[in-house]
Amino acid sequence: AQSVTQLDSHVSVSEGTPVLLRCNYSSSYSPSLFWYVQHPNKGLQLLLKYTSAATLVKGINGFEAEFKKSETSFHLTKPSAHMSDAAEYFCVVSHSGGYQKVTFGTGTKLQVIP
Amino acid sequence: DAGITQSPRHKVTETGTPVTLRCHQTENHRYMYWYRQDPGHGLRLIHYSYGVKDTDKGEVSDGYSVSRSKTEDFLLTLESATSSQTSVYFCAISESGQTNQPQHFGDGTRLSIL
Repeated sequence: AQSVTQLDSHVSVSEGTPVLLRCNYSSSYSPSLFWYVQHPNKGLQLLLKYTSAATLVKGINGFEAEFKKSETSFHLTKPSAHMSDAAEYFCVVSHSGGYQKVTFGTGTKLQVIP
Repeated sequence: DAGITQSPRHKVTETGTPVTLRCHQTENHRYMYWYRQDPGHGLRLIHYSYGVKDTDKGEVSDGYSVSRSKTEDFLLTLESATSSQTSVYFCAISESGQTNQPQHFGDGTRLSIL
């Protein structure tokens, strides 16, 4: 069985300060992991993915995430928050199960304060 | 952005009426998915398709049916809508069912059942 836990439902940061969104996963197999962002009234957009290559993954808009197997974590970070980063972020784990079986976290809403 | 169009984008209907949502893709991807998004639940899979006329159930399939007569179109039908089916519905596509393939999402359909 696989699961994803996003440890914070809401995160608030000031513009220009670092962002940390936490994600822990559980998987019986070597997982693929993804982060998506969702802006209001829009679909989910892929930020980055981990697929067993480099453990530090760089994504779009300055985001990156580090896969730590020993901690079963895949936290999302950004050095300096912009107002446009305000959105909801989803951590997703994927493993083969007859089809591409994915499990979504419940999301973290990021608020950026000017 | 992946060429995915969902229609309608918004719909309000009454309990007991049939509703059909359409997902159209221009990417020629094999896999298509229907999800629903509800607060506190992330995204949950309703049905998916792995080819023309090949579909299967997801984790929340009760009360829903799907059809795929062409590669580019995937229809979701609520035979007799209930208030519990009020939600935002997302279509997604992926090139294959491999673990490392990300899914790409449409902008969603907001469905309200009164």
